[in-house]
Amino acid sequence: DGGITQSPKYLFRKEGQNVTLSCEQNLNHDAMYWYRQDPGQGLRLIYYSQIVNDFQKGDIAEGYSVSREKKESFPLTVTSAQKNPTAFYLCASSRVSRQNTGELFFGEGSRLTVL
Amino acid sequence: KQEVTQIPAALSVPEGENLVLNCSFTDSAIYNLQWFRQDPGKGLTSLLLIQSSQREQTSGRLNASLDKSSGRSTLYIAASQPGDSATYLCAVRPKMDSSYKLIFGSGTRLLVRP
Repeated sequence: DGGITQSPKYLFRKEGQNVTLSCEQNLNHDAMYWYRQDPGQGLRLIYYSQIVNDFQKGDIAEGYSVSREKKESFPLTVTSAQKNPTAFYLCASSRVSRQNTGELFFGEGSRLTVL
Repeated sequence: KQEVTQIPAALSVPEGENLVLNCSFTDSAIYNLQWFRQDPGKGLTSLLLIQSSQREQTSGRLNASLDKSSGRSTLYIAASQPGDSATYLCAVRPKMDSSYKLIFGSGTRLLVRP
């Protein structure tokens, strides 16, 4: 079945460690996104990519890094510079259209807890 | 700056009721509006996508409307069931630059009581 796979589902990290969250999609979508969700808040955009080998910062990119070497994959690294990394991380993808009307699809999320 | 608001933050109704969830946005320059459902600890599931040129979309017991001029959208759920209990989020895709970003509301947490 087509979809978006995030791994791991749960991740624990010690302070000072970098961790990488995986996101893979087989929907043949050009655009991919990383959102962060905190309790009681809306989703906030971390990074997005509209094409391979290109990505842009979202609203809260500090302390995060991404790469887009393949169309299907958009991994997110949470670095030790991120001050409050404990959160629920959601990966999404969409088609890119001239009218910018692509529907957004999400993975199941990864919950990161810093010990 | 585009802002999206969902009121109320939480709603509890008895099974069988028809209900309306509200979403408002501050800037009418949007490409589309999308409604999502989120179960606890899960990702978001797309329910309905309304393009800016459309007034409404329907899927089963769900009907979403869009009034760009007033900056409002509603999600109507007919004959609610306990399985409809979840958080419902709306998001708009603003017409700014060539961005593909969505702006999300904080959601309405719905509980349908048996």
